[in-house]
Amino acid sequence: EVQLLESGGGLVQPGGSLRLSCAASGFSFSDYAMSWVRQAPGKGLEWVSLIGASGNDTYYADSVKGRFTISRDSSKNTLYLQMNSLRVEDTAVYYCAKGRPEDYWGQGTLVTVSS
Amino acid sequence: DIVMTQSPDSLAVSLGERATINCKSSQTVLYSSNNKNYLAWYQHKPGQPPKLLISWASTRQSGVPDRFTGSGSGTDFTLTISSLQAEDVAVYYCQQYFNARTFGQGTKVAIK
Repeated sequence: EVQLLESGGGLVQPGGSLRLSCAASGFSFSDYAMSWVRQAPGKGLEWVSLIGASGNDTYYADSVKGRFTISRDSSKNTLYLQMNSLRVEDTAVYYCAKGRPEDYWGQGTLVTVSS
Repeated sequence: DIVMTQSPDSLAVSLGERATINCKSSQTVLYSSNNKNYLAWYQHKPGQPPKLLISWASTRQSGVPDRFTGSGSGTDFTLTISSLQAEDVAVYYCQQYFNARTFGQGTKVAIK
């Protein structure tokens, strides 16, 4: 059974940093692209970042480019999102998701950026 | 960047009636080398992660009821729910995965 479990969310002040993790199981992690997608309160889904299966290719939404870094550790079957220079508008539930298109999703982790 | 635009933003349909959602991309998501449209549809209910309904514009995922149908090619796509059920109340999103990813703004489906 495919499982994706996000962690690392929480409350952080504007300008602060946070690292999200997504522990994957039930599939061959190194064979699939992985994404982060977020949903701000009352808003729609927003794609945040994507990493290819090998980890060599990364892509970012313009809204997070230069502030967020996606990475993966195939030895740990874990996806990461390093978030720096956080803004109030980054407040959202962050989901990790597998594949192209995204066929399995985690339950999400809430990130709140507030002073 | 590819921009995805859905219409309408919301719709209310009687139980058993048809619901139609449109999605337009700012550039083609049809890859000529394999003749595949890199277009997906998701269903999102409150408190749950999104659920992939349809990939490649028209391929229903395993376990998705056949009342959900995806159609279209190139830049214009449609999701049709042939006979709306109470459990179909949700927000529906189209997504292109031709070049990175982009979601449409979502269409909220309710019962009339």
